[in-house]
Amino acid sequence: AQTVTQSQPEMSVQEAETVTLSCTYDTSESNYYLFWYKQPPSRQMILVIRQEAYKQQNATENRFSVNFQKAAKSFSLKISDSQLGDTAMYFCAFMKQGGVGGSNYKLTFGKGTLLTVNP
Amino acid sequence: EAQVTQNPRYLITVTGKKLTVTCSQNMNHEYMSWYRQDPGLGLRQIYYSMNVEVTDKGDVPEGYKVSRKEKRNFPLILESPSPNQTSLYFCASSLWGTGGYEQYFGPGTRLTVT
Repeated sequence: AQTVTQSQPEMSVQEAETVTLSCTYDTSESNYYLFWYKQPPSRQMILVIRQEAYKQQNATENRFSVNFQKAAKSFSLKISDSQLGDTAMYFCAFMKQGGVGGSNYKLTFGKGTLLTVNP
Repeated sequence: EAQVTQNPRYLITVTGKKLTVTCSQNMNHEYMSWYRQDPGLGLRQIYYSMNVEVTDKGDVPEGYKVSRKEKRNFPLILESPSPNQTSLYFCASSLWGTGGYEQYFGPGTRLTVT
């Protein structure tokens, strides 16, 4: 079974600064996907960024980028130029790749990191 | 607008009173799933469905039922709710194929069982 660990329950950052959220995972799979989801106070789950394990290049989406270290099983999220709207709970999640079993589509989530952006 | 809808958004009920939380998606997705979110535990999968009439248990299925009679709908049924089912529930959907597709989440249903 896969596990996802987010070791920082809470973090804070000043507006316009950069912050990095940590995530480690444990799996025996070789091929998989990793995700960061954002949950603002509205509770809506919003996909921030997605990484395929077979790709060496780190994914980026505007101000959001990841540092994917496959050997270390680490998947951190960097938020540049933090904005007040980035205040949210952030979840790291793992999904197996491939196969026809429906269980391969399950997202295994970490416990989340509550990020507060201060003005 | 592509979306996943859930109803009701908030529900307070008493122990043992059967309830259904509806979930509907308009994206023609084959895969649908239910998660529950509890403080300090993240989200955990309850049940999933790969297509009409095909459902299976996730990690925490006890006390829940689901059905998938139509592709767009995937209701979650609590036949005899108990206080330990007080939680925030999310329905999600995605395409089915080679995997890794984005899962689209509904807005969540806050359930309180007294």
